[in-house]
Amino acid sequence: DAKTTQPNSMESNEEEPVHLPCNHSTISGTDYIHWYRQLPSQGPEYVIHGLTSNVNNRMASLAIAEDRKSSTLILHRATLRDAAVYYCILTGANSKLTFGKGITLSVRP
Amino acid sequence: NAGVTQTPKFQVLKTGQSMTLQCAQDMNHNSMYWYRQDPGMGLRLIYYSASEGTTDKGEVPNGYNVSRLNKREFSLRLESAAPSQTSVYFCASSSPRTSGGSTDTQYFGPGTRLTVL
Repeated sequence: DAKTTQPNSMESNEEEPVHLPCNHSTISGTDYIHWYRQLPSQGPEYVIHGLTSNVNNRMASLAIAEDRKSSTLILHRATLRDAAVYYCILTGANSKLTFGKGITLSVRP
Repeated sequence: NAGVTQTPKFQVLKTGQSMTLQCAQDMNHNSMYWYRQDPGMGLRLIYYSASEGTTDKGEVPNGYNVSRLNKREFSLRLESAAPSQTSVYFCASSSPRTSGGSTDTQYFGPGTRLTVL
């Protein structure tokens, strides 16, 4: 699977939007972009995934660049509960999740 | 639904001791996984089971064995624990998405924190 690059950390203020970037310049045409997050002392949880088009769900939005070499996870209004490590993961069809170090999001009250 | 449950939550072993970590899911998922997470790192896949009766090695299988007891349960055994196996162990399960072509969504348990002295 192709690799992803994320900043180590990011800070945001409560109730403001947060944009978490992910670079994946070697993505192949069949790779999906997945985001998981891991709250402190918990297992990871699925956030969102996409292939080419932007995606929205109740947790977040995923904006995918036209060339698919980067993507951005958007939390529309950060809450204290959103403080977590966010993982951007590429997968081919039916392949396994490979977790990097992710980006640590801190939310200031 | 309880989702994915793991026992025990915490465990301390001495070098050379053995133990089995238990995992169960009540979502009728076909696939189950065992990961380990070392401090400050992402998760690494130890073993997985694509369906009842099958198991396959992941990225870091050495020192571990697994058993897919039935569709619900997937256990991880450390035959002779070593300090290098001190870690947090997560179990996960998944089933195919209704939209085809992408990797299944995985659901994770709360983890087992293992210390080997």
